[in-house]
Amino acid sequence: SQQGEEDPQALSIQEGENATMNCSYKTSINNLQWYRQNSGRGLVHLILIRSNEREKHSGRLRVTLDTSKKSSSLLITASRAADTASYFCATDEGKDDKIIFGKGTRLHILP
Amino acid sequence: SQTIHQWPATLVQPVGSPLSLECTVEGTSNPNLYWYRQAAGRGLQLLFYSVGIGQISSEVPQNLSASRPQDRQFILSSKKLLLSDSGFYLCAWTHRIGEQYFGPGTRLTVT
Repeated sequence: SQQGEEDPQALSIQEGENATMNCSYKTSINNLQWYRQNSGRGLVHLILIRSNEREKHSGRLRVTLDTSKKSSSLLITASRAADTASYFCATDEGKDDKIIFGKGTRLHILP
Repeated sequence: SQTIHQWPATLVQPVGSPLSLECTVEGTSNPNLYWYRQAAGRGLQLLFYSVGIGQISSEVPQNLSASRPQDRQFILSSKKLLLSDSGFYLCAWTHRIGEQYFGPGTRLTVT
């Protein structure tokens, strides 16, 4: 089953600009997470936001969660070439230990 | 500190051959364990997850199976591989609902 859906599928921006990615999901959740994947590697956890939180920051990352709209956004400020990667949101379905990932946004930072 | 191992890193197998991928976790006990498959340039598909020894939940009916013979060991198997089984297989662990820690992955090519 597909829970999270990221938007856009791909994004190219100039270095130094901000990158915004969105995620929509379908069912009630306990928390939502964002992960990053460099090509051919495992995923790395970036940030977790709980269902009772609306915004969370970690360094250059800012995540928002709107449970009424069942959506989340990930903002990366002052992008760097090293931010080039795929970014995935992941949600539980509120009732068991499954964690479901979206299809991801491929971010490319142009020099 | 906790670490997660997957092997082999790459594997080329002919159609109809058996498969065994192993994942082990160190430095924690009673983790939730997950197997995901990722097709090229795509999102993660949850295949199996386990909340304890001998407890396996299957998400996708197919010719793959999973087993958890020990608390920190998760094995993905197939008796006869199909071409469609090619992909990048990722193992992950978590303590209940929270941050997932991923292994480095196994790239399987079925020829």
